Amino acid sequence: EVQLVESGGGLVQPGRSLKLSCAASGFTFSNYGMAWVCQAPTKGLEWVASISTGGGNTYYRDSVKGRFTISRDNAKNTLYLQMDSLRSEDTATYYCARLSSNWAFDYWGQGVMVTVSS
Amino acid sequence: DVVLTQTPVAQPVTLGDQASISCRSSQSLVHSNGNTYLEWYLQKPGQSPQLLIYKVSNRFSGVPDRFIGSGSGSDFTLKISRVEPEDLGVYYCFQATHDPWTFGGGTKLELK
Repeated sequence: EVQLVESGGGLVQPGRSLKLSCAASGFTFSNYGMAWVCQAPTKGLEWVASISTGGGNTYYRDSVKGRFTISRDNAKNTLYLQMDSLRSEDTATYYCARLSSNWAFDYWGQGVMVTVSS
Repeated sequence: DVVLTQTPVAQPVTLGDQASISCRSSQSLVHSNGNTYLEWYLQKPGQSPQLLIYKVSNRFSGVPDRFIGSGSGSDFTLKISRVEPEDLGVYYCFQATHDPWTFGGGTKLELK
């Protein structure tokens, strides 16, 4: 059974950093691209970042470029999102998702909440 | 950026009815490789989103055949025949053809 479990969320002050993790199991992690998708409170979904199977290619939405870094450790079956220079508008639930070969998010984690506030 | 416009924003339904959701893109979603990366997701209350349809009309594993995706170019539709209680929630279309990838604003399927 495919499982994605996020961790690392919490309350953080503006300008500070946070690192999210997503532990994957039930599939060969190194064979799949991965992504982060966020959802601000009461709002819709937004794609945040994606990473290729080996980690060599990364992609970001404009609003997080230069502040967020997506990475992965295939030996540990774990996806990461390093979030720096956090802003109040980054407040959201962050979901880890697996990318199928058809470029769809075929499995999702339960989400982790990030609140940026002083 | 590609803008995906979903209509209606809310769709009141009676169980057993058919529902239809439109997703219109600000530009064609045909990729240079010939594929059209238009997907549909359902987010049930209090849950993570789940994949329903990929590449316009392909149902994901385990998705009932009452969910039908169609369309081409920049105009797409999700039809749900015989709405059941577990179909209620917010539906999102999503495109992975153009960078940055974008979601539609969502359509809430709710009981009348």
